Amino acid sequence: DIVMTQSPDSLAVSLGERATMNCKSSQSVLYRSNNKNYLAWYQQKPGQPPKLLIYWASTRESGVPDRFSGSGSGTDFTLTISSLQAEDVAVYYCQQYYSTPPITFGQGTRLEIK
Amino acid sequence: EVQLVESGGGLVQPGGSLRLSCAASGFTFSSYSMNWVRQAPGVGLEWVSYISSSTGTIYYADSVKGRFTISRDNAKNSLYLHMNSLRAEDTAVYYCARATTTSSSHFDYWGQGALVTVSS
Repeated sequence: DIVMTQSPDSLAVSLGERATMNCKSSQSVLYRSNNKNYLAWYQQKPGQPPKLLIYWASTRESGVPDRFSGSGSGTDFTLTISSLQAEDVAVYYCQQYYSTPPITFGQGTRLEIK
Repeated sequence: EVQLVESGGGLVQPGGSLRLSCAASGFTFSSYSMNWVRQAPGVGLEWVSYISSSTGTIYYADSVKGRFTISRDNAKNSLYLHMNSLRAEDTAVYYCARATTTSSSHFDYWGQGALVTVSS
């Protein structure tokens, strides 16, 4: 199974500042035949289901604000929020869907306001 | 509007059984693969099971294999999870989630979840 490890576990950032969190997979999730990284990012607010933000490591889901961006390839990935808003307080999860089953998630990064 | 609505959660004793349902609307249910994902209290997300659009392919997490059964009724736009031999560690919110393509897929829509509590 591919193990997904996120860092840090929690993060406090001031409003309007950049927030950056990382996700590392235990093996590459890059499928060379189509040059796609099978990596997604989700946002989960308290009492709500996860919401898809980013897929194929860097493609923003429709309706997601452009302050959210994903980058990385192979085994190392980053989710960046360019200018933190109050509504961005949540737990963020990465997910690999390269080697299935099983689909696996990271343990989450909790984002708070400093 | 795509909607996924889970039902059937509740309190069950260890060793008991429960069936979760997920009613889908707003899209052509029979064209999409579906998944169950669970989240224990205060913990992260754990994928549980996958079923292809035609039910031809089914996968389970090792933690539930042999105890849980996923199924779907495309005529009723419904997804199910039959859970047997329930354990305390199965206590979680169970979400149904739509896959965008096959088993190698991210999940673009999630239901609100159904809470399953296994306790005596």
